[in-house]
Amino acid sequence: GAVVSQHPSRVICKSGTSVKIECRSLDFQATTMFWYRQFPKKSLMLMATSNEGSKATYEQGVEKDKFLINHASLTLSTLTVTSAHPEDSSFYICSAPLGSFPGVNIQYFGAGTRLSVL
Amino acid sequence: AQTVTQSQPEMSVQEAETVTLSCTYDTSESDYYLFWYKQPPSRQMILVIRQEAYKQQNATENRFSVNFQKAAKSFSLKISDSQLGDAAMYFCAYRRSNYGQNFVFGPGTRLSVLP
Repeated sequence: GAVVSQHPSRVICKSGTSVKIECRSLDFQATTMFWYRQFPKKSLMLMATSNEGSKATYEQGVEKDKFLINHASLTLSTLTVTSAHPEDSSFYICSAPLGSFPGVNIQYFGAGTRLSVL
Repeated sequence: AQTVTQSQPEMSVQEAETVTLSCTYDTSESDYYLFWYKQPPSRQMILVIRQEAYKQQNATENRFSVNFQKAAKSFSLKISDSQLGDAAMYFCAYRRSNYGQNFVFGPGTRLSVLP
């Protein structure tokens, strides 16, 4: 069935480095994908909406230059955490909707990426 | 803006018993979807059940059922015959009905199942 693949599942990096997280829709095209952030023992908070072929839409308080989103194809969105710092350590989850019109509203989640910045 | 509230940070239930998790939401929309997601320790989001707002009939999925009260903006989840594998974080979520809409999640309820 349709799934969303997210990679890597876990990454540990040094402070100041950049980390790229990929979110791929398998077997279906997604013109829109969503990136969420989840702090420990907290809920998922929407960071940004990734739009294929155009700029991402960021939620209030999310730094565009810190969290770069690229949606270059209909099956791939990437989130790059630039110059990562320990406070960026978190769990990042993407989701993608299946279908292109109202009524077909299934969304699939990636398995998430645990980022640890030392 | 839409908001989702879960007033029970933690709940516990005895194995084989029934438990109800509460959720309320706020929206000015008339058409939307409501969901319950389960997040086990693996942190993979697993869809438990979903409800279309235009449907009056409460959704059911095997041991899981909801009590959807649209006027009261309430959407509770009932788990019957609880199993050890039901232990997880449960998130209530709202989503507008248009294509390409994001989820708005509640703060979650951690469910423990006691043997």
